Amino acid sequence: AQSVAQPEDQVNVAEGNPLTVKCTYSVSGNPYLFWYVQYPNRGLQFLLKYITGDNLVKGSYGFEAEFNKSQTSFHLKKPSALVSDSALYFCAVRDPYLGNTPLVFGKGTRLSVIA
Amino acid sequence: GAGVSQSPRYKVAKRGQDVALRCDPISGHVSLFWYQQALGQGPEFLTYFQNEAQLDKSGLPSDRFFAERPEGSVSTLKIQRTQQEDSAVYLCASSLGDRERDEQYFGPGTRLTVT
Repeated sequence: AQSVAQPEDQVNVAEGNPLTVKCTYSVSGNPYLFWYVQYPNRGLQFLLKYITGDNLVKGSYGFEAEFNKSQTSFHLKKPSALVSDSALYFCAVRDPYLGNTPLVFGKGTRLSVIA
Repeated sequence: GAGVSQSPRYKVAKRGQDVALRCDPISGHVSLFWYQQALGQGPEFLTYFQNEAQLDKSGLPSDRFFAERPEGSVSTLKIQRTQQEDSAVYLCASSLGDRERDEQYFGPGTRLTVT
């Protein structure tokens, strides 16, 4: 079965500092991995995805994520946090061998960037 | 271009009432997913359509939940005889194709409160 773990419910970081939001996954084969962001009263917005190739994936708003197969992780990173990055972040996984299945989401991590 | 839209944005229903939630996917998107998001949780899969065909309804929590997409575009999620445990945000997502690597685009959701 596919699963995603986001071990931190809350991450606090000072504006201008680097941020990391952690995600680990479990699938039977090679995963497809996604990050989404959710602002209050809005739907999820796609940030980036890992399908294959380069382990470092760059996405929207200056975010990037690194796929680490040995650690089964896909941590979201940004070199310099902005107050406007404060939101709820979700990691999601899909096992491509199962076809166009629904995404399996983690519980989410609330990021607070403090000015 | 327009994104995924959902209506109503908020719905209050008395226990036992029937409700219908509408999703307008991005034009031309083949795949459509419904998710349920409880407070403080990540979205959980309900059902999946490829065009007008409902290929997976394994996530529907009971036979009170019913979804349709008769012309392969707009979809409606219907909940009969609502219960308090149905209170949640219902998210609709669409993707361009039917490939597992396609990212999903989410609507703003419908917040259902059952009193």
